[in-house]
Amino acid sequence: GENVEQHPSTLSVQEGDSAVIKCTYSDSASNYFPWYKQELGKRPQLIIDIRSNVGEKKDQRIAVTLNKTAKHFSLHITETQPEDSAVYFCAASKWWGGGSYIPTFGRGTSLIVHP
Amino acid sequence: AAGVIQSPRHLIKEKRETATLKCYPIPRHDTVYWYQQGPGQDPQFLISFYEKMQSDKGSIPDRFSAQQFSDYHSELNMSSLELGDSALYFCASSLVWGTNTGELFFGEGSRLTVL
Repeated sequence: GENVEQHPSTLSVQEGDSAVIKCTYSDSASNYFPWYKQELGKRPQLIIDIRSNVGEKKDQRIAVTLNKTAKHFSLHITETQPEDSAVYFCAASKWWGGGSYIPTFGRGTSLIVHP
Repeated sequence: AAGVIQSPRHLIKEKRETATLKCYPIPRHDTVYWYQQGPGQDPQFLISFYEKMQSDKGSIPDRFSAQQFSDYHSELNMSSLELGDSALYFCASSLVWGTNTGELFFGEGSRLTVL
């Protein structure tokens, strides 16, 4: 099955700095890579995703890059704000347009943004 | 907009007791997932249903069972509860067929405490 490694487990930055979280996956057939943000005691929510036919995607202060050859994808947050403090999970899954698919989550990165 | 509804939000049980969690997916979503999240851990996939049929099975103990009913709501039944079953249980739903999105929409979760 799929195995997703995520680093670092904890990331502490000053407000305004950039934050980078990295993930690797094992199954070369995986083709959909979502990132979820989970605030303390709350549900995970999708913040950005990328498919295997795209190398980079950006949404305001958030960007994700994908290197299929290296089976590596990263989340970049620029100009961090205290409200970005949360646990971020990367995930990898196979998407074939029908039927269910199951994202395998990384262990999570606890991002702390200091004012 | 309607979200995934889970009940109960909190549940306290004794060891060896039985618990049932309920999930009402977003209307018209065709896939339901159950995840277990221990303290400080990533969500672990338990089981999923596509159009009321079990589609995938993850690390669900034999003591647990789940089903999806004709109205698309799902229930997770947990018997012979153990201390290690204490966790946050998330239900998620998605619309898989005929769409190009793989986003999972999570409910608020049901926190189970086993004493």
